[in-house]
Amino acid sequence: GNSVTQMEGPVTLSEEAFLTINCTYTATGYPSLFWYVQYPGEGLQLLLKATKADDKGSNKGFEATYRKETTSFHLEKGSVQVSDSAVYFCALTSLTTDSWGKFQFGAGTQVVVTP
Amino acid sequence: SAVISQKPSRDICQRGTSLTIQCQVDSQVTMMFWYRQQPGQSLTLIATANQGSEATYESGFVIDKFPISRPNLTFSTLTVSNMSPEDSSIYLCSARTANEQFFGPGTRLTVL
Repeated sequence: GNSVTQMEGPVTLSEEAFLTINCTYTATGYPSLFWYVQYPGEGLQLLLKATKADDKGSNKGFEATYRKETTSFHLEKGSVQVSDSAVYFCALTSLTTDSWGKFQFGAGTQVVVTP
Repeated sequence: SAVISQKPSRDICQRGTSLTIQCQVDSQVTMMFWYRQQPGQSLTLIATANQGSEATYESGFVIDKFPISRPNLTFSTLTVSNMSPEDSSIYLCSARTANEQFFGPGTRLTVL
């Protein structure tokens, strides 16, 4: 079955540091890949997505590239801010009839950015 | 896009009781789902809420414990039955339109 593995946290960074959160996946077919963010006390929000190989998703300074050859979708941001402190989830869904809309989530990575 | 609201936003319940969580979407959606996020863990799909028919449950989840209704294209309920402390989690409703998936704010449940 499908699965998502992402690096464990917490990841603690200073403001303006570079952030990378590794995410790899196992899936049949051609899944769509997502990063969701959960700020403290809030619900899940879509951060970015990519629907096919070599696509790059980007939003709010975050980027991730869908790498089929390495089955990866690593999240990066060049200069983090305190407001980026949150839990980040890598996720995938397949567009087959049976799996459409069913997401497989990684364990989540907590990011703490200090001033 | 779709905006999802859930009621209640949080609750504290006694062991052995049941709680029904409501999910309302502001537009018609093709599919609705229920997820669980146990403390410090990731989200796990409980079931797909099918409009007008019985929900489709994932492995490890059963209808007697988590009965689900979906009477129309914008509304669904999840009941957590005969609760135990292990049911303490955030329960999230999710909905899919043609192109995108949306998640509700979650219902934080604590069972004493």
